[in-house]
Order: sequence, then C-alpha cells, then structure tokens
Amino acid sequence: QQQVKQSPQSLIVQKGGIPIINCAYENTAFDYFPWYQQFPGKGPALLIAIRPDVSEKKEGRFTISFNKSAKQFSLHIMDSQPGDSATYFCAASSREGGGNKLTFGTGTQLKVEL
Amino acid sequence: DVKVTQSSRYLVKRTGEKVFLECVQDMDHENMFWYRQDPGLGLRLIYFSYDVKMKEKGDIPEGYSVSREKKERFSLILESASTNQTSMYLCASRELNQPQHFGDGTRLSIL
Repeated sequence: QQQVKQSPQSLIVQKGGIPIINCAYENTAFDYFPWYQQFPGKGPALLIAIRPDVSEKKEGRFTISFNKSAKQFSLHIMDSQPGDSATYFCAASSREGGGNKLTFGTGTQLKVEL
Repeated sequence: DVKVTQSSRYLVKRTGEKVFLECVQDMDHENMFWYRQDPGLGLRLIYFSYDVKMKEKGDIPEGYSVSREKKERFSLILESASTNQTSMYLCASRELNQPQHFGDGTRLSIL
C-alpha cells in the first residue's frame, strides 16, 4: 500500500521553466514532509522540508506548497536549470515512533533541457 | 559535513550466499537505516536502529537481518540471497529530530 503517491513519474522542461511535482498522502498523522534530490550514482540529499503549520516554504529557487485539507503537497522549481536534472522524492513522517520512519514517494525523474 | 560510507559501490553474489553490506557514519548519530531503492517503487525501509544493539523492522524486513555492535556501524545481512534481492541498497543516519543523511548506495546483483 503506497501511503505517499507521487506524480508524474518523469518530467521534461525547458531551461527557465517551472517543473511541478505533486504528492498526496493518506495518513493524517504525518507532520513532516521533506523533499530529497538524487543525482545519478549518489544517495538522496535533503532539498527542502515543510511542517503542516505553514502553507508554503521557499528556499532559493525551490518552493514547497502544502494543502493540509487536501492532504497534498508539491515542489516547484523556479527558473529551472540543466543542473537541476535529477530524481526527486517526496516523503512524509510522523512523530509516532520518534519520527524515525520516512515513507517515500516513488520518485520523479526530471530533465531540464537547454 | 556528515559522511555516510557504504563499503561497496557494486557487488555481485550468487543465489544462496550470505551477503553482508556495511555502512559507517562519522557523526555519532543515534539512528541508522537501511533502504532498498527500486525503479517505480521509490525507497522502502528494510530495518532501522535507534541505538547500539537495538533494531526495529521496517516495511520490508523479510529475508534480511541487521547488526549494530558499534554506534558508527550498521550492517545489513542477506541470510540466503535470492534474485529478487537484486537492488540498490541505501544506508542513512541521523541525529534525533534531524534530517536523514544518505550514503551513495551499493548496487547488489544476485545471479
């Protein structure tokens, strides 16, 4: 059972475009929503994270939008660059069990073309 | 910077072999994790450990075991490797209430 559903599976945008990756969750106990970025041959690295007490968080060109009532959150990449080409994973966890268990989405392969 | 080191980048083993994957972190983190990553399935948690000699099952523990004898080292053991365990294996560590830091993975092929 996939508790965090991520879409699309892959995405191609032109340089300067704004790719949007969406995630939806079912477990209302989730209270921490990170996004990870993974380059080929490397492990995932934390990109940005949000808690449900805010509806939006920006860090540089990366923005998370969060809709608690719809149980959805999304990643927007402003002014995308070829160097942003990577696989992106959303994830979620709850304070239950000390917040140890991250549940990941299935990933989105992003390609930014010149 | 946190460094999580996985001992092998690529590993090829035969069906039925006992396989050990090793992970070492250098930041004295309490928590360590083992995931497998498969295309279209994302990352799935196999086991995690919140202290030396302590472990908990993740979402897909069947066919695996773990060992944590020292705080910095967390080992994943495939008791009798099977072809469906061919995958990318990722280790992570974290301090309590902090983000997880991942190693670069071990790509394991079981023939």
